[in-house]
Amino acid sequence: DAGITQSPRHKVTETGTPVTLRCHQTENHRYMYWYRQDPGHGLRLIHYSYGVKDTDKGEVSDGYSVSRSKTEDFLLTLESATSSQTSVYFCAIRGATGANEKLFFGSGTQLSVL
Amino acid sequence: KNEVEQSPQNLTAQEGEFITINCSYSVGISALHWLQQHPGGGIVSLFMLSSGKKKHGRLIATINIQEKHSSLHITASHPRDSAVYICAVRSSGTGNQFYFGTGTSLTVIP
Repeated sequence: DAGITQSPRHKVTETGTPVTLRCHQTENHRYMYWYRQDPGHGLRLIHYSYGVKDTDKGEVSDGYSVSRSKTEDFLLTLESATSSQTSVYFCAIRGATGANEKLFFGSGTQLSVL
Repeated sequence: KNEVEQSPQNLTAQEGEFITINCSYSVGISALHWLQQHPGGGIVSLFMLSSGKKKHGRLIATINIQEKHSSLHITASHPRDSAVYICAVRSSGTGNQFYFGTGTSLTVIP
């Protein structure tokens, strides 16, 4: 399962506060992703990383930033949380390449912004 | 504009029935993944396809690259198959991004 852990599992916060979600992997995979999942939408990409300090924006990146200072950790920060950022957040890893490619997902973080 | 479309959105079946879920996509792809998400649960990968067909137990996945279409079949469905099934494609374009369908919610009734 790529040894992927996501924390916290649940978070309730107030509008305007910063929030950081953590994704940790144990197998040195290069590609890591942050998605949000909302009813009526497929998983939508927030940011992704293709290596240490190499990150890029996804389709819903406004209000979010990321950092990857080590291969194993990919952090997602909501700089000033808003109610529209209430969602379930998933970290994902693309493991292997070619015929053995696989997608691994963290357990998800239920974030509520009040 | 949705790069990945799934049908049906919702599906109810009797235990034992043969089930088909369809996925159509509009971008060039390097890979297509079928994922399963149980209620309140995480997301797990079932298959990765780049061509042809794969089988795992009662699950069969096929892909037609020319028609940009994939199907997931479940034979002899069981209540434990009740879940949301998600089709995801990895674009062959810049960034190799993934695009996801909105999922098919399957309920199998005993």
